[in-house]
Amino acid sequence: AQSVTQLGSHVSVSEGALVLLRCNYSSSVPPYLFWYVQYPNQGLQLLLKYTTGATLVKGINGFEAEFKKSETSFHLTKPSAHMSDAAEYFCAVDFGNEKLTFGTGTRLTIIP
Amino acid sequence: EAGVAQSPRYKIIEKRQSVAFWCNPISGHATLYWYQQILGQGPKLLIQFQNNGVVDDSQLPKDRFSAERLKGVDSTLKIQPAKLEDSAVYLCASTQAGYATEAFFGQGTRLTVV
Repeated sequence: AQSVTQLGSHVSVSEGALVLLRCNYSSSVPPYLFWYVQYPNQGLQLLLKYTTGATLVKGINGFEAEFKKSETSFHLTKPSAHMSDAAEYFCAVDFGNEKLTFGTGTRLTIIP
Repeated sequence: EAGVAQSPRYKIIEKRQSVAFWCNPISGHATLYWYQQILGQGPKLLIQFQNNGVVDDSQLPKDRFSAERLKGVDSTLKIQPAKLEDSAVYLCASTQAGYATEAFFGQGTRLTVV
């Protein structure tokens, strides 16, 4: 079955610390992978995506993610957290059918 | 470039009443989606349109939900009659046709059923 799993519904990090948000997927076909961010009362905004090619993908606001096929993972990282990074983050997968399946989301809190 | 427009932003109705949401996608985007996002969960696809045709409505509760996309541009999603469990944010998104293209989301309509 095709699925998306985000480990940790809530993550708290100190300002300036490393941010790591985890995403794993289950798929029988090569997936297309996305990370979206959602600020309160807002829609979703694309952070980055992986389709083909280089497995390390850089996105907006200093975020990056690495596609690891052997681990079926697409974890999101940022070297140094900023207060403005506080939001909900969603991993999403296109299993080759032009629609997104979302994980349950991770709420990121930044501690001053 | 204008984004995906949705209205209203907020709606409160009593159970068993009807409600309609409107979405205007980005100009030229052939594919339009409606997602339901229940509090604490990720968005769940309700229906996908390609131009004015339905591609996937397998997750749409058809006994109470309906959607249309006349002329392949804007779209409406209707709930009749509403249940308490329909309380959620309804998100509209659009993309150019094709795989792995970026989906652009509207700000959503927050529905509260009391």
